[in-house]
Amino acid sequence: GAGVSQTPSNKVTEKGKYVELRCDPISGHTALYWYRQSLGQGPEFLIYFQGTGAADDSGLPNDRFFAVRPEGSVSTLKIQRTERGDSAVYLCASSLTGRESDTQYFGPGTRLTVL
Amino acid sequence: AQKVTQAQTEISVVEKEDVTLDCVYETRDTTYYLFWYKQPPSGELVFLIRRNSFDEQNEISGRYSWNFQKSTSSFNFTITASQVVDSAVYFCALSDPKNSGNTPLVFGKGTRLSVIA
Repeated sequence: GAGVSQTPSNKVTEKGKYVELRCDPISGHTALYWYRQSLGQGPEFLIYFQGTGAADDSGLPNDRFFAVRPEGSVSTLKIQRTERGDSAVYLCASSLTGRESDTQYFGPGTRLTVL
Repeated sequence: AQKVTQAQTEISVVEKEDVTLDCVYETRDTTYYLFWYKQPPSGELVFLIRRNSFDEQNEISGRYSWNFQKSTSSFNFTITASQVVDSAVYFCALSDPKNSGNTPLVFGKGTRLSVIA
């Protein structure tokens, strides 16, 4: 079946602009995660959804970052007033139920560049 | 707090050589899960293996094998007879359960493997 998909694959924006990054998880997966991967680093957790609710947003770096998942499927990560330090690859992952034993499957990521 | 250390930043081998990627982890949990992912140049993280803390049996899948040693908190990954297509960044990860019910993964910094023909 189809894996996790993310759009756009690349996004270039100017400092101060607003961006939206989209994630379409594997069909039937209730758990959805957003991670951020900076150059030369491993992915770092941002936010977790179980169904429609943001169950854990403790990884969001500040209040410029926000994410939604209104119907329990597709999720959008929103970044306001972008800064150069926000440049990174934003990865989305989904798992079947969100249990610790579940495997998280990752999408190809969105490479965000803030000029 | 959970921590994963991949001390090898970059490894370069000649095709057909065996190579071992090291992973050391820290956790206070008695039950936990360890993962390996491969990130080829295309950027997508590809799942390779999941291992729970109660199962210390080594696992082999084709040219890949994993050695889980709870006594030394290590979960090393060996590629036998490496091939150019194995060139990628490999990440070791550890489950990090939280009171919220969230279980994100904590990743190491990755090891970049280059296999030269």
